[in-house]
Amino acid sequence: EDKVVQSPLSLVVHEGDTVTLNCSYEVTNFRSLLWYKQEKKAPTFLFMLTSSGIEKKSGRLSSILDKKELFSILNITATQTGDSAVYLCVYGGSQGNLIFGKGTKLSVKP
Amino acid sequence: NAGVTQTPKFRILKIGQSMTLQCAQDMNHNYMYWYRQDPGMGLKLIYYSVGAGITDKGEVPNGYNVSRSTTEDFPLRLELAAPSQTSVYFCASRNDRVLGNEQFFGPGTRLTVL
Repeated sequence: EDKVVQSPLSLVVHEGDTVTLNCSYEVTNFRSLLWYKQEKKAPTFLFMLTSSGIEKKSGRLSSILDKKELFSILNITATQTGDSAVYLCVYGGSQGNLIFGKGTKLSVKP
Repeated sequence: NAGVTQTPKFRILKIGQSMTLQCAQDMNHNYMYWYRQDPGMGLKLIYYSVGAGITDKGEVPNGYNVSRSTTEDFPLRLELAAPSQTSVYFCASRNDRVLGNEQFFGPGTRLTVL
């Protein structure tokens, strides 16, 4: 059974801190790994990592994929209160379906 | 484009009632999905469809039914509502002609079964 495990489950930091969110996965036929951000609404897409794209960066957010060790990290530098959200690590299956981790709840204090 | 739309936004049902959650997308995506998200949990796939007339079960299909008569619409039907179906339901769509698994989500429907 394909599985995605995220850690930590929750994290509290102060503005300006750098955070690293972890995601490990066990899947039978890797296709892609995605990161979503979820505030009090639907998830919004951040990054997709595939065999041909193992590192992505957008502003203060960056993500890498280690296919050998079966994990990914999401890095956020110079955190802001607007970064407070649940960050979801998601495996993209061969049928196009998504398998979600439970998420990491990030709280950024002023 | 409106993207993925869902109705209603909120609904309270009594045990045993039935209802249909509506989902529509105007992006001409062939893949559509229904997920449920329980408090503190990740999303779980209920049903998905790879195109009009084709549907398949996901991880938690029991108690639900779907149909896909058009590319745009993918309604989710609850026949006999149970308290265990209290959840937030998200519909999503994807264009598999574009490489990758990025899905676009609707705003969600919050359902409470009492």
